[in-house]
Amino acid sequence: EVQLVQSGAEVKKPGESLKISCKGSGYSFTSYWIGWVRQMPGKGLEWMGIIYPGDSDTRYSPSFQGQVTISADKSISTAYLQWSSLKASDTAMYYCARHDYGDYGMDVWGQGTTVTVSS
Amino acid sequence: DIVMTQTPLSLSVTPGQPASISCKSSQSLLHSDGKTYLYWYLQKPGQPPQLLIYEVSNRFSGVPDRFSGSGSGTDFTLKISRVEAEDVGVYYCMQSIQLQVTFGQGTKLEIK
Repeated sequence: EVQLVQSGAEVKKPGESLKISCKGSGYSFTSYWIGWVRQMPGKGLEWMGIIYPGDSDTRYSPSFQGQVTISADKSISTAYLQWSSLKASDTAMYYCARHDYGDYGMDVWGQGTTVTVSS
Repeated sequence: DIVMTQTPLSLSVTPGQPASISCKSSQSLLHSDGKTYLYWYLQKPGQPPQLLIYEVSNRFSGVPDRFSGSGSGTDFTLKISRVEAEDVGVYYCMQSIQLQVTFGQGTKLEIK
């Protein structure tokens, strides 16, 4: 079964750093892009960026460029989303999704990771 | 960025009746490879989004045939032929023509 399993919920303080993960299984992790999507409470979906684990080619939405870092470790089939200094406005649900570019689009989604940033 | 505009933003439908959602893009989604990079997703309450339609009109595996997609260029439509209670949630269109993905604002479907 193809699946993406994300790391658990996080509660952090403003200014702290954070790295959340997304582990793929059941398919060739290096052959598909992995995208990250933010959903703020009660709001819609916002695409943050994407990485190709095969060669680490990474693209960011202009809205998130410089705000987060996307990376991947293909040896353990895991993609990451990290912040160096969290803000309260980073409070949201974050989803990773496999992106089958040229065919199915974002066809497999992780269960989501809730990040809460509060003093 | 390509802007995706959905209408309506909400709709209330009686079970068994049809529903239709429009999605317009600010630029053509027809790629030079001949494919049109327009997708539809449903996010049910408390769940991640799930893929319904890929490349305008292709139903994803397991998606009931009451869901259909159509359109070309910049204008696209998702239709549900007969709405069922399990169809409640928020529907999003998405484009990914240049690997710079954007979503529509979402359309909330509720059952009357």
